[in-house]
Amino acid sequence: DGGITQSPKYLFRKEGQNVTLSCEQNLNHDAMYWYRQDPGQGLRLIYYSQIVNDFQKGDIAEGYSVSREKKESFPLTVTSAQKNPTAFYLCASTQRGGARNEKLFFGSGTQLSVL
Amino acid sequence: DAKTTQPPSMDCAEGRAANLPCNHSTISGNEYVYWYRQIHSQGPQYIIHGLKNNETNEMASLIITEDRKSSTLILPHATLRDTAVYYCIVRGGSQGNLIFGKGTKLSVKP
Repeated sequence: DGGITQSPKYLFRKEGQNVTLSCEQNLNHDAMYWYRQDPGQGLRLIYYSQIVNDFQKGDIAEGYSVSREKKESFPLTVTSAQKNPTAFYLCASTQRGGARNEKLFFGSGTQLSVL
Repeated sequence: DAKTTQPPSMDCAEGRAANLPCNHSTISGNEYVYWYRQIHSQGPQYIIHGLKNNETNEMASLIITEDRKSSTLILPHATLRDTAVYYCIVRGGSQGNLIFGKGTKLSVKP
């Protein structure tokens, strides 16, 4: 089945530690996105990438970093600079990115908690 | 900032139609309206989207007013599994990405 795979489902971070969330898609989509969701809130855009080796900051990029070395992979690193990392993280993709008539496909999410 | 307004919560009896309203009065002429839903601790699921005309698929119907300032998502026969948060979203912000607000929490009751 085609889709987006996020791993792990649950992740724990110690103080001062960097952690990396994995996102892989086999939909052959060009664009990929990372969102953060806090309890009872909507989704906020962290980073997005419309093409390999290129990415842009979203609304809340501080304390996060990404890479896009392969079309199918868009890992997110939560750095020690992110002081409040506890949240539900969602990865998504679209076929081309930026087109008005395109829908997002989402992964199942990673819950990150601070020990 | 979110460009849509939705009621925070709604109830619906099982088997009845669920009508979820959304206000998007600042929508521009070529922007689509999208609807997604999210069950707790899962990724949002695409439901339907539209531009001007009403749309229907196997999950729901989307009714868009003629002035395009509001729309209604209709689940014709709600089941308990339709209990979720429903997001009405449009593109916005400086980068034209889809903006997710807090949505409407729909509770389908037996």
